[in-house]
Amino acid sequence: DAGITQSPRYKITETGRQVTLMCHQTWSHSYMFWYRQDLGHGLRLIYYSAAADITDKGEVPDGYVVSRSKTENFPLTLESATRSQTSVYFCASEGPAGGSYEQYFGPGTRLTVT
Amino acid sequence: GQQLNQSPQSMFIQEGEDVSMNCTSSSIFNTWLWYKQDPGEGPVLLIALYKAGELTSNGRLTAQFGITRKDSFLNISASIPSDVGIYFCAGQPLSFYSGGSNYKLTFGKGTLLTVNP
Repeated sequence: DAGITQSPRYKITETGRQVTLMCHQTWSHSYMFWYRQDLGHGLRLIYYSAAADITDKGEVPDGYVVSRSKTENFPLTLESATRSQTSVYFCASEGPAGGSYEQYFGPGTRLTVT
Repeated sequence: GQQLNQSPQSMFIQEGEDVSMNCTSSSIFNTWLWYKQDPGEGPVLLIALYKAGELTSNGRLTAQFGITRKDSFLNISASIPSDVGIYFCAGQPLSFYSGGSNYKLTFGKGTLLTVNP
């Protein structure tokens, strides 16, 4: 199916563990993004990527690592998970829409760090 | 970083009532966007605004890009139960305008809308 998907949808992990959240889009969009959503903060940008092998930090990058070896995939890795990283994570890709651009969001991954 | 003040934080209304919410910023924004998020899903774009003063409608939704470039509002007319959800404003600061992408969006904290049938 065309679109943007995330996996897993739910994940529980322990403090100190490494965990990778996957994001896949079928549109061949150049730009992809990772956000976290927390009560009282709205959506905050973690990392973004303008193309394969090009990534850059967003507003809250500490504790996260990204890679983009292929245009369609943009995994987010928590190298050593902490309780403060308990959140809902959204991946998005950006593509043309009506003469401009629109960010399309995935369904989200709810991560709990115990 | 950039901050958007979105208000109100939550609203409880009766079906059929009109709704208004707004976002303000201390900085100039190049683009204003309004998203809706249903429970358990990602945000979906409702309306995009690209010019100061622009007024755009999408069905029962109307949004405006403030003339000062520092604010935007969203109105929903004749609300229905499926309007329930969280509404987010988002803006692209002028300093990050790339000529094509909306990357580096800043999001408001959201307005939770509840509609009583």
